[in-house]
Amino acid sequence: EADIYQTPRYLVIGTGKKITLECSQTMGHDKMYWYQQDPGMELHLIHYSYGVNSTEKGDLSSESTVSRIRTEHFPLTLESARPSHTSQYLCASSEQQNTEAFFGQGTRLTVV
Amino acid sequence: GQSLEQPSEVTAVEGAIVQINCTYQTSGFYGLSWYQQHDGGAPTFLSYNALDGLEETGRFSSFLSRSDSYGYLLLQELQMKDSASYFCASDTGRRALTFGSGTRLQVQP
Repeated sequence: EADIYQTPRYLVIGTGKKITLECSQTMGHDKMYWYQQDPGMELHLIHYSYGVNSTEKGDLSSESTVSRIRTEHFPLTLESARPSHTSQYLCASSEQQNTEAFFGQGTRLTVV
Repeated sequence: GQSLEQPSEVTAVEGAIVQINCTYQTSGFYGLSWYQQHDGGAPTFLSYNALDGLEETGRFSSFLSRSDSYGYLLLQELQMKDSASYFCASDTGRRALTFGSGTRLQVQP
């Protein structure tokens, strides 16, 4: 059973607000990722991390930041939410080999 | 860059066999994996192929041909619960997984 948790599950927030989406895993995985996914569409990589204090930008990173201070925790921050950020955000983790990634249940974000 | 192509939709009947293809263009390729995602749910891992050939896991099998940059997921004895989206994903080692656009499988009674 996957031990990766995201909070909140659902969030409705006003335009311009700063928000942080939380993701934690208890499997000791070095790699963690954030993906954005609209319903029925592909997963777009936002940020990823190889380990503590190492993060890299993905394809959709320009309006968000991440930090990896502890192995188990990988929060995603949107500095100023916009309606275009309305989507589902999925956090995942894996060992150094990408043979199997475990996903959290996602945060469904609505920006009004 | 990296790209993976899959058919957008496949329809099959209960009990049948269906094959979902994936072609990829990527540098530094390590392997190809497959994930299942039900509506409203999170993707879950199905299989990973690092070497050419067929890997079988129960009703699901996955195939890889590195020389053709091609793989497929084979689902046998289809059940209604197999209706979901299926994503192939390329593993290039250091980078994160890159996912295809997904194939929506509709299983009909």
